[in-house]
Amino acid sequence: TQLLEQSPQFLSIQEGENLTVYCNSSSVFSSLQWYRQEPGEGPVLLVTVVTGGEVKKLKRLTFQFGDARKDSSLHITAAQPGDTGLYLCAGRAGGTSYGKLTFGQGTILTVHP
Amino acid sequence: SAVISQKPSRDICQRGTSLTIQCQVDSQVTMMFWYRQQPGQSLTLIATANQGSEATYESGFVIDKFPISRPNLTFSTLTVSNMSPEDSSIYLCSVDGQGARAFFGQGTRLTVV
Repeated sequence: TQLLEQSPQFLSIQEGENLTVYCNSSSVFSSLQWYRQEPGEGPVLLVTVVTGGEVKKLKRLTFQFGDARKDSSLHITAAQPGDTGLYLCAGRAGGTSYGKLTFGQGTILTVHP
Repeated sequence: SAVISQKPSRDICQRGTSLTIQCQVDSQVTMMFWYRQQPGQSLTLIATANQGSEATYESGFVIDKFPISRPNLTFSTLTVSNMSPEDSSIYLCSVDGQGARAFFGQGTRLTVV
């Protein structure tokens, strides 16, 4: 069974601060995805990283995939109240792009104005 | 992209009864996935539903408790049977789209009293 350890579980910060969320595993994933979920909605994809060492930027969000494709991080610069939500990392196993997703435990982020 | 309509969006049910959740996709898909999520927590895969065959259940989930139907390539149902308060949760259906991106319904918030 592949597990994804996501930390921290809770983050409560002030507007303008920076933060990093980590996702670690002892298993190799063919791809790793980050989702954001708001109350009453399903998760929405933010980014997919596929190549070891890959870095992707989405405005103030920076995503990194570890060289060994076992870990990933999400860094938010100058957080804003609109960033508040549940952030989930999820990995796909094996050599296929489709199939079962393994989710991390999630990080509840609260950004105070 | 895929648009998923899930209903009901929420329900309050008596213990011992059953609830059937419906998931309709706007395009044909091979696999549909059913997840359970405690509020503010991560997603746990219940089963994978393939059209024309029995659903594949994850460890800890059984067909008698969570029967699934998949009558065609755009529709699936999940039934939560003989409910107890421990079944109170959010239930989500999901499909894979292009680039291994997962699309989710808005979820069904179930409360068992």
